[in-house]
Amino acid sequence: GAVVSQHPSRVICKSGTSVKIECRSLDFQATTMFWYRQFPKQSLMLMATSNEGSKATYEQGVEKDKFLINHASLTLSTLTVTSAHPEDSSFYICSARDRPLAPNTEAFFGQGTRLTVV
Amino acid sequence: DAKTTQPNSMESNEEEPVHLPCNHSTISGTDYIHWYRQLPSQGPEYVIHGLTSNVNNRMASLAIAEDRKSSTLILHRATLRDAAVYYCILRDYNFNKFYFGSGTKLNVKP
Repeated sequence: GAVVSQHPSRVICKSGTSVKIECRSLDFQATTMFWYRQFPKQSLMLMATSNEGSKATYEQGVEKDKFLINHASLTLSTLTVTSAHPEDSSFYICSARDRPLAPNTEAFFGQGTRLTVV
Repeated sequence: DAKTTQPNSMESNEEEPVHLPCNHSTISGTDYIHWYRQLPSQGPEYVIHGLTSNVNNRMASLAIAEDRKSSTLILHRATLRDAAVYYCILRDYNFNKFYFGSGTKLNVKP
């Protein structure tokens, strides 16, 4: 099946710095990717939809200046957590679909990135 | 996306069948029922999906009620590797997004 890869899988950064997380679709083109965050023992929360060649759309309550999303190519979306604080520590997961407009197709998820802000 | 309701947790014995229920009483006619599972510290993994008819694949079976207001994911012989959080999600034809509910944490006992 299709593969979505995230990098890094784990990152520790200092408070106030920025961190970039990459999400790649390895064997298909993804015009749309999705970013989620997950706190311990909680479900995944959709943060934003990343659209190739255009601005990302953010879910209500998600700060777009805090979580910068760039989708510069059909296989790569990046999420940058700017001026990170300890409360941004979380598990970040991306998702992509190779046929986004078909509801009867599966979504593929990256393995996740564990961000710890110290 | 329409809301789904699942039990918080379930327990099963290894090599026994497991039936994971999901209620989706507000489902619309164009919603597909998707199931994903998430192992600890990993991204979700596709399990199965369906619209109206029951579905089988190598991982599981999906039984959909005739009125489509509920569905059941069936793992025919649970293994320790099946211990995960299972999410039931409705996918609307007009929307591209997945919204996750709270899911069911399945514990498999040896």
